[in-house]
Amino acid sequence: EDQVTQSPEALRLQEGESSSLNCSYTVSGLRGLFWYRQDPGKGPEFLFTLYSAGEEKEKERLKATLTKKESFLHITAPKPEDSATYLCAVRGNAGNMLTFGGGTRLMVKP
Amino acid sequence: EPEVTQTPSHQVTQMGQEVILRCVPISNHLYFYWYRQILGQKVEFLVSFYNNEISEKSEIFDDQFSVERPDGSNFTLKIRSTKLEDSAMYFCATSWDTEAFFGQGTRLTVV
Repeated sequence: EDQVTQSPEALRLQEGESSSLNCSYTVSGLRGLFWYRQDPGKGPEFLFTLYSAGEEKEKERLKATLTKKESFLHITAPKPEDSATYLCAVRGNAGNMLTFGGGTRLMVKP
Repeated sequence: EPEVTQTPSHQVTQMGQEVILRCVPISNHLYFYWYRQILGQKVEFLVSFYNNEISEKSEIFDDQFSVERPDGSNFTLKIRSTKLEDSAMYFCATSWDTEAFFGQGTRLTVV
């Protein structure tokens, strides 16, 4: 059974204070690790897909990296508008469905 | 930018009633999914649909649930006899290949 664990559950940062969110996973045959952003009461918004260890993807202040056991979402000089819950999900050999972690709720204060 | 559209945004229903949640996928997407998120919990997979049939389903997707694509555009989730524990956000997602794009969800409240 695929499993995803995210840490920390919540993270408070000052504007401009860089940090990283962690996603640990166990999966039978990784066919993609996905990062999503979710605002309160909204659906997950796609950010990145990573497929193999060593891969990195960047978008504005966000950079996602992948190893064989975990992924990190690095946030550089965050702004208040980056406040959201960040979700990690994996797709394995079992099928096309995604298995989600519990998310990290990020709060960036001005 | 293309998006997945879900209706209604909110639905309140009496326990035991049937509800139908609707989704308009992104044009040209081939794979369709339903997920749910109970308040404060993880997003959970319910069912996937490809080529007009169910391709995968979770243990949650029991006989009270059904999906169909009645007119080639809409994708629906029906819950036949709602229970209190069905209260959740229901998300439709669609994909062409790998990345799944989610709708804004339907908040279902069973009273």
